Amino acid sequence: EDKVVQSPLSLVVHEGDTVTLNCSYEVTNFRSLLWYKQEKKAPTFLFMLTSSGIEKKSGRLSSILDKKELFSILNITATQTGDSAVYLCAVERVKAAGNKLTFGGGTRVLVKP
Amino acid sequence: NAGVTQTPKFQVLKTGQSMTLQCAQDMNHEYMSWYRQDPGMGLRLIHYSVGAGITDQGEVPNGYNVSRSTTEDFPLRLLSAAPSQTSVYFCASSKNRGYNSPLHFGNGTRLTVT
Repeated sequence: EDKVVQSPLSLVVHEGDTVTLNCSYEVTNFRSLLWYKQEKKAPTFLFMLTSSGIEKKSGRLSSILDKKELFSILNITATQTGDSAVYLCAVERVKAAGNKLTFGGGTRVLVKP
Repeated sequence: NAGVTQTPKFQVLKTGQSMTLQCAQDMNHEYMSWYRQDPGMGLRLIHYSVGAGITDQGEVPNGYNVSRSTTEDFPLRLLSAAPSQTSVYFCASSKNRGYNSPLHFGNGTRLTVT
């Protein structure tokens, strides 16, 4: 059974701090790992990672994948209150009938002014 | 461009009632899926479809039916609602189910079964 575990469950930081979120996985026929940000409603796509060691960056957010140790991290630097959200990690598995995504339980981040 | 549209936004049902959650996308996406989100459990896949006329079960399919008669629409039917189906339901679509095709989510339907 595919497994995706995110840590920590939640954290509280102050504006300007850096946060590091972790996602570890066990999945057969791995295809990709994705990060989403969920504020009040729908999750919105952040990154898709398919190769080890190649950092993806978007503004103050960056992410990297380690396919040998089966984990990914999402970094947010110089945090702002608008970064407060639940961050979801999902792993895609190749499947003949259509690839399957398994989500982790999410990490809730609260950024205080 | 509306993206993924879900209706209704909120619904309250009594145990045993049936209803259909609607989902439509206007991006010509092949892949559509339904997830439920419960506190501490992340998003769990209910059913998915890789194209019109093709559906398959996800992790938690019991109590739900789907059909995909057109590319645009993917309704989710609750046959006989139970309190355990109280959840937030998300419909999501992507161009295809593979490389470089992240999911686009609707805004969710919050369902309460009493």
